[in-house]
Amino acid sequence: SQQGEEDPQALSIQEGENATMNCSYKTSINNLQWYRQNSGRGLVHLILIRSNEREKHSGRLRVTLDTSKKSSSLLITASRAADTASYFCASLATGGYQKVTFGTGTKLQVIP
Amino acid sequence: DTGVSQNPRHKITKRGQNVTFRCDPISEHNRLYWYRQTLGQGPEFLTYFQNEAQLEKSRLLSDRFSAERPKGSFSTLEIQRTEQGDSAMYLCASSLGLAPQETQYFGPGTRLLVL
Repeated sequence: SQQGEEDPQALSIQEGENATMNCSYKTSINNLQWYRQNSGRGLVHLILIRSNEREKHSGRLRVTLDTSKKSSSLLITASRAADTASYFCASLATGGYQKVTFGTGTKLQVIP
Repeated sequence: DTGVSQNPRHKITKRGQNVTFRCDPISEHNRLYWYRQTLGQGPEFLTYFQNEAQLEKSRLLSDRFSAERPKGSFSTLEIQRTEQGDSAMYLCASSLGLAPQETQYFGPGTRLLVL
């Protein structure tokens, strides 16, 4: 079963607005990553945040991590139509394993 | 820049047939991963290789599934006696294999439809 849950499941916004997606996980993690997937395609890595980090930026992306709440958020600022995609969080649990657990995803639609 | 490649991109088969998928990772990457993704869900981990050694396997990987990476480069995923429930996107990813925490780079996937 999926470890991560994402919220909302779907989000529709106008171009130029900001989009915020949230992710929750259940166990202790080494890191958490966010991926984007365009319809029916492979996943594109966006950003990785380590368990000892609280916030990270990359271009128009801002990711926060709250290990006490076991949650993360992805903020996309000044959204563009090209940002339309599904966004997944993926957590790597502690313990030396390489099994990454993906959330259920947020489907973002940016309306031009 | 050659990323992760997967072949075939699409496969339609009849129930009971065997299918094999291939994944070619990024050339200097030592780790290779297989995931399965069904419609509307996130990818689910199947298995992972460090060079040619298969180090982790999910319980999702039933005895009808087998994965190999014989020379530590490309990998194959075979499904025997396919069932309709095997219909999914099969994703391969690779990473450098030098650090415990690494970015995984995904291929475009192989979409399997079992009739």
